[in-house]
Amino acid sequence: GENVEQHPSTLSVQEGDSAVIKCTYSDSASNYFPWYKQELGKRPQLIIDIRSNVGEKKDQRIAVTLNKTAKHFSLHITETQPEDSAVYFCAASLPSNTGKLIFGQGTTLQVKP
Amino acid sequence: EAGVAQSPRYKIIEKRQSVAFWCNPISGHATLYWYQQILGQGPKLLIQFQNNGVVDDSQLPKDRFSAERLKGVDSTLKIQPAKLEDSAVYLCASSPPTGWGEQYFGPGTRLTVT
Repeated sequence: GENVEQHPSTLSVQEGDSAVIKCTYSDSASNYFPWYKQELGKRPQLIIDIRSNVGEKKDQRIAVTLNKTAKHFSLHITETQPEDSAVYFCAASLPSNTGKLIFGQGTTLQVKP
Repeated sequence: EAGVAQSPRYKIIEKRQSVAFWCNPISGHATLYWYQQILGQGPKLLIQFQNNGVVDDSQLPKDRFSAERLKGVDSTLKIQPAKLEDSAVYLCASSPPTGWGEQYFGPGTRLTVT
């Protein structure tokens, strides 16, 4: 079955710096890759997603890139702010009508003021 | 647009007791998911409904967990009897009938089994 590996498990950056989180997936047929942000004690929130027919997507300070050949995708956050501090999860799903997501293990991002 | 609603938000029970969680998805979302999130890990799918039918329950411990979505809207997840290792946050999510399967999560129920 599909497996998603996420790195690093923790990431600490200074405010204003960039942060990059990387994920790899095992099933080359996967075609949908969302990223979720989860603040302490709160629900996971979808922040950006990418489909397999697109190589890069941006939304203000966040961007996601996808390399289908290498089977990995990355989240990039620029000009980080303290409110970006949270746990970030990547996920992947296969092209079927089930929409089942397989999540990575999560990355705890700390942005130091 | 109202989000996914869940109750209760917190529950503490003793092992071998039973517990039930409730979820109301976003209006119009035919697909509903229940996830288990153990502290420090990503969510793990327990069961997925399409309307009132089960699509995937391969990861559901069926000897103690059950779920239903009788009218294709609200859903309940039950654990009976609970074990210590069931301590986790139980998240409900729903997704719209069109699109690529983006899922929207509820606030979750934090279960502590003592």
